[in-house]
Amino acid sequence: EAAVTQSPRSKVAVTGGKVTLSCHQTNNHDYMYWYRQDTGHGLRLIHYSYVADSTEKGDIPDGYKASRPSQENFSLILELASLSQTAVYFCASSERTTNSDYTFGSGTRLLVI
Amino acid sequence: GDSVTQTEGLVTLTKGLPVMLNCTYQTTYSPFLFWYVQHLNEAPKLLLKSSTDNKRTEHQGFYATLHKSSSSFHLQKSSVQLSDSALYFCALSDLQGGRALIFGTGTTVSVSP
Repeated sequence: EAAVTQSPRSKVAVTGGKVTLSCHQTNNHDYMYWYRQDTGHGLRLIHYSYVADSTEKGDIPDGYKASRPSQENFSLILELASLSQTAVYFCASSERTTNSDYTFGSGTRLLVI
Repeated sequence: GDSVTQTEGLVTLTKGLPVMLNCTYQTTYSPFLFWYVQHLNEAPKLLLKSSTDNKRTEHQGFYATLHKSSSSFHLQKSSVQLSDSALYFCALSDLQGGRALIFGTGTTVSVSP
């Protein structure tokens, strides 16, 4: 079954530390996305990618980097974690054609202290 | 820029009653609208979608009609069940393609016995 798998499921990080969130998809999708979810803000796009070795900035990219080393893998990197980055992070994938359905991972709950 | 507005943050109702969740959007492109549902501690999942003006779309007892004249895509159900308690997101894409989904802030539906 096609799926999007995120790791870790939850993480506690210290302020100023580096955090890497990983995402792996078996959907054979070209497009991958990172969203963060905050109460009252819904899902906001951080970074996305439509091909390996290339990433694009979303609506709220500041403080985040992304890496797409292969079609299947897409990472989100917080070089210097801050308290404001406490949130739930979702990875998603979709087919090459736009307007197609997104398949979401189960999310990573990040707490920065 | 493009945006999605969901006016209700929380809707509470009793099992068996009808529900309507509001969704309006702004875009300069031809719109493609989605509804996603997220149950507690789960990933968002597609509920239904549409890009056809004035055509009702249905899935799992929920239905919505895209009205381009009023830029709306309200979600309705005739009789809610306890299992419908969840967070509902309206999302916008466009037929021209090239952009990631833009999500509304979400509406939490809480159904009581």
